[in-house]
Amino acid sequence: AQTVTQSQPEMSVQEAETVTLSCTYDTSESDYYLFWYKQPPSRQMILVIRQEAYKQQNATENRFSVNFQKAAKSFSLKISDSQLGDAAMYFCAYRSPRGSGNTGKLIFGQGTTLQVKP
Amino acid sequence: GAGVSQSPSNKVTEKGKDVELRCDPISGHTALYWYRQSLGQGLEFLIYFQGNSAPDKSGLPSDRFSAERTGGSVSTLTIQRTQQEDSAVYLCASTRTSARGETQYFGPGTRLLVL
Repeated sequence: AQTVTQSQPEMSVQEAETVTLSCTYDTSESDYYLFWYKQPPSRQMILVIRQEAYKQQNATENRFSVNFQKAAKSFSLKISDSQLGDAAMYFCAYRSPRGSGNTGKLIFGQGTTLQVKP
Repeated sequence: GAGVSQSPSNKVTEKGKDVELRCDPISGHTALYWYRQSLGQGLEFLIYFQGNSAPDKSGLPSDRFSAERTGGSVSTLTIQRTQQEDSAVYLCASTRTSARGETQYFGPGTRLLVL
């Protein structure tokens, strides 16, 4: 079974600085998807960024980028120019492709609470 | 366009009562997931619906939990004889059926407190 591990329960960053959140996963599959979701106090899970395992290029969305190391099964999130609105809990998630008995359900890490200091 | 909506936003109930939680997915999304977020267990998958196929109930924690999806749209998660350990945030997500890598869009969740 696949597992996702976020080893940093809490992180803090100064506004405008850069922070990296760590995520490792375990799988025997070669084809899968990885996601970072943000959950502010409103509880709404918001997709931050996604990565397809078959793509070697790291995904980037504005100030958010990932460092995807497939061999090491590592998927870290870098937030550049941190803003107060980035403060939230961040979840790393793994998903198998749907089909062949897979539902495509998300498997989540434990989450990392990010504090942004003004 | 409208996102995934869930109701109620918060629910307080007494131990032993039944509760129903509702999810309205994004229009046109054929796949729907329920997850539970609790302090002790983190985020865990409960049940999955895809079109008219039989749901995948492999994540339901006990037979007190059931869910249905009517007309391929709205879904209701029912918890019978609630227990204090059922207290959690219940999240619903929907996605289009596409070839690869569709993203799950989440609702705001229902926070359930069992007294």
